[in-house]
Amino acid sequence: SQQGEEDPQALSIQEGENATMNCSYKTSINNLQWYRQNSGRGLVHLILIRSNEREKHSGRLRVTLDTSKKSSSLLITASRAADTASYFCATDAKGNTPLVFGKGTRLSVIA
Amino acid sequence: DTGVSQNPRHKITKRGQNVTFRCDPISEHNRLYWYRQTLGQGPEFLTYFQNEAQLEKSRLLSDRFSAERPKGSFSTLEIQRTEQGDSAMYLCASSQERGTGGLLTSGNTIYFGEGSWLTVV
Repeated sequence: SQQGEEDPQALSIQEGENATMNCSYKTSINNLQWYRQNSGRGLVHLILIRSNEREKHSGRLRVTLDTSKKSSSLLITASRAADTASYFCATDAKGNTPLVFGKGTRLSVIA
Repeated sequence: DTGVSQNPRHKITKRGQNVTFRCDPISEHNRLYWYRQTLGQGPEFLTYFQNEAQLEKSRLLSDRFSAERPKGSFSTLEIQRTEQGDSAMYLCASSQERGTGGLLTSGNTIYFGEGSWLTVV
């Protein structure tokens, strides 16, 4: 079963615009991670945010976490064509559970 | 450091044949995970190892699947009597978990390989 649900399923924007993707999950978590996957490739880790953190930045990425709403968002600012990929959130739930992924958001950045 | 390495990257096999995938984790990472991913879906957990011990297996891991990590370094995932439904990308990942205890993860980054594509015809 999949814990996280990304929204939207697909997003198409122009280069230079910002892209926002959301993730909702069901159970309490230790941390939440965002990954990127180019078509047919492995997953690349982007950022990890712990349950006691509310916001983290890494370059053009900004991640927020609202544990009361069980949701997270990933913002990519000033998007580039190279950002075109699928983005997944993955949660590390409290207790003996593995990292669980959502179905992902497919982002297309048009030059 | 060469990251997580998987091979073969692509495998086409006939239904009923056995296949084996190998994963070399990042050096000294004590945890190794196997995931499966089909088109349009996120990765689904199959199993994981802490050093050489296999600590959890998903219900997705049928009797035809077996994973080993004999010396706590590389791992193999074997699928026996392959079926068309086994067609997917098999992803390996590793992490270095500090401390002990039963938690599967403790907030450390999990690094993925490029995956091994399996097509069963």
